[in-house]
Amino acid sequence: GENVEQHPSTLSVQEGDSAVIKCTYSDSASNYFPWYKQELGKGPQLIIDIRSNVGEKKDQRIAVTLNKTAKHFSLHITETQPEDSAVYFCAASPGNQFYFGTGTSLTVIP
Amino acid sequence: EAEVAQSPRYKITEKSQAVAFWCDPISGHATLYWYRQILGQGPELLVQFQDESVVDDSQLPKDRFSAERLKGVDSTLKIQPAELGDSAMYLCASSLKPPAGGTEAFFGQGTRLTVV
Repeated sequence: GENVEQHPSTLSVQEGDSAVIKCTYSDSASNYFPWYKQELGKGPQLIIDIRSNVGEKKDQRIAVTLNKTAKHFSLHITETQPEDSAVYFCAASPGNQFYFGTGTSLTVIP
Repeated sequence: EAEVAQSPRYKITEKSQAVAFWCDPISGHATLYWYRQILGQGPELLVQFQDESVVDDSQLPKDRFSAERLKGVDSTLKIQPAELGDSAMYLCASSLKPPAGGTEAFFGQGTRLTVV
């Protein structure tokens, strides 16, 4: 099955700085890559996604890039704010189910 | 805004007891997923339904776990008997269509289970 690895496991940034979270996947059949934000005690919330026919997608301060050749994709958050503090999960889907990374705990220091 | 509803939010049970979780997906979503999330890890699929049919339950411990979606709408996940190692967050998610082709999946708030 698909194997998704996510780095770093923890990330601290100053408010206003950028944060980057990276994921790799193993199954070349994966064609859909969502990112979720999970706040303490809550369920994961879909924040952005990208499909394999696109190399980059941006939504305000959040962007995702995909390199199919290298089998890696990244989440970029610019101008970070304290409310961005949460655990972020990447996922990959080869079409049958979603496979999640192990999460990145992001702390934005005011 | 449509949401996936789960209940209860929290459940404490003694080991060897039975426990059940309920999920109501977003209206019209044919695909329903139950995930288990251990603290500090990503969600792992337990069972996936397409309408009322199970399409993947390969990771479901069938000796103690069962899941049903009788009318293809809401779903129940049951554990009997519960073990200490079952303590985790149980998440329900739904999507309009199966994952093939890239369909967004939306999660509920989860049920935090503690087995004592």
